[in-house]
Amino acid sequence: AQSVTQLDSHVSVSEGTPVLLRCNYSSSYSPSLFWYVQHPNKGLQLLLKYTSAATLVKGINGFEAEFKKSETSFHLTKPSAHMSDAAEYFCVVSPIYNQGGKLIFGQGTELSVKP
Amino acid sequence: KAGVTQTPRYLIKTRGQQVTLSCSPISGHRSVSWYQQTPGQGLQFLFEYFSETQRNKGNFPGRFSGRQFSNSRSEMNVSTLELGDSALYLCASSLLAGAIDTQYFGPGTRLTVL
Repeated sequence: AQSVTQLDSHVSVSEGTPVLLRCNYSSSYSPSLFWYVQHPNKGLQLLLKYTSAATLVKGINGFEAEFKKSETSFHLTKPSAHMSDAAEYFCVVSPIYNQGGKLIFGQGTELSVKP
Repeated sequence: KAGVTQTPRYLIKTRGQQVTLSCSPISGHRSVSWYQQTPGQGLQFLFEYFSETQRNKGNFPGRFSGRQFSNSRSEMNVSTLELGDSALYLCASSLLAGAIDTQYFGPGTRLTVL
């Protein structure tokens, strides 16, 4: 069975400092992995996705994530946080032997950015 | 290109009533998936439709149902509403069936059951 664990429910950083949101996954097969962001009262926006090509994936708004099979991790990073990055972030796994559209979401990490 | 649209954005219902939510996918997308988001359970998969056929269903009671029309628009219905059905219902569309293809989400319908 596939699952994903986001290691922090809340992360707080100062504007201009690096962001690290941690995610570990469990999958019997090589998974597809995604990071989505949700701003208050908004839907989910795709930040980036990994589908077994390059292990370092670049996304929108300066975010990137590195797939590490040996550590079963897919942590999200950004060199310098901006106030507009404050939102909830979801790490998502989709097994390559897909289950018909079923994305499996982590519990989310709320990112706060202090001025 | 217009994104995924969901109507209505907000709904208030009372226990025992039924409700229908609508989702219009991105033009050209044939797959529509539905998710329920609650503070306690997080985001959970409800079902996926592709070419008017339900391909997969999550672990929800039979009160939750859906359908897809020939233009790929989808509706989900919840009958005999319970307080626990209060949630944000998100619809996502993708070009192809299955979760490998990127899913694009709508803004959601906020359902409150009183």
